[in-house]
Amino acid sequence: KAGVTQTPRYLIKTRGQQVTLSCSPISGHRSVSWYQQTPGQGLQFLFEYFSETQRNKGNFPGRFSGRQFSNSRSEMNVSTLELGDSALYLCASSADWTLRRSYNEQFFGPGTRLTVL
Amino acid sequence: AQTVTQSQPEMSVQEAETVTLSCTYDTSESDYYLFWYKQPPSRQMILVIRQEAYKQQNATENRFSVNFQKAAKSFSLKISDSQLGDAAMYFCAYRSALRYPMNYGGATNKLIFGTGTLLAVQP
Repeated sequence: KAGVTQTPRYLIKTRGQQVTLSCSPISGHRSVSWYQQTPGQGLQFLFEYFSETQRNKGNFPGRFSGRQFSNSRSEMNVSTLELGDSALYLCASSADWTLRRSYNEQFFGPGTRLTVL
Repeated sequence: AQTVTQSQPEMSVQEAETVTLSCTYDTSESDYYLFWYKQPPSRQMILVIRQEAYKQQNATENRFSVNFQKAAKSFSLKISDSQLGDAAMYFCAYRSALRYPMNYGGATNKLIFGTGTLLAVQP
């Protein structure tokens, strides 16, 4: 099975621009989560999607948005980029969960390294 | 709100020796998971080991084991017989196991991470 893929792997943008990052989960996985990793703030949760619905959101400004498509692929968008948005953006996917007590491991992608100049 | 604290920014161990990485957390929830993730330089984050809070037995995965002290809210990782390939950043993480009706009875996958411990392995 192919792992989680993220595109592009590297991106350079300038302040004020917008950017869209893409995440393709492992086949059969319907849950996708996004994280921002910076040296100063560490790993912070952005949002989480399941079956095209956002079910959890981190404490980020409205410039950060995301969506999930019917094939479970997810995109996140950052508008009006700021220097502080420079980070590694990680996506993680996991399989369906059920009403029974079950554990689904999250698998991380390699990340998209965004540099804002 | 839940928090995870890793008080050791860097650690070093000799090859074949044992090292213990520390992690403490704070939560008012009774049902949760704890994890250790490994992030090698320029490589993907991978799960090392997980612990379910309702299980008293400490988790073990080959050379990796944890010491889970629920009352003390402590969750340390022991790496035995350290290898050069163990060199990486290690993150402790928390995930709630509570289920929410609005999530169709499911739980969140949201992870709360500590700041990480950079482990160096000396040959």
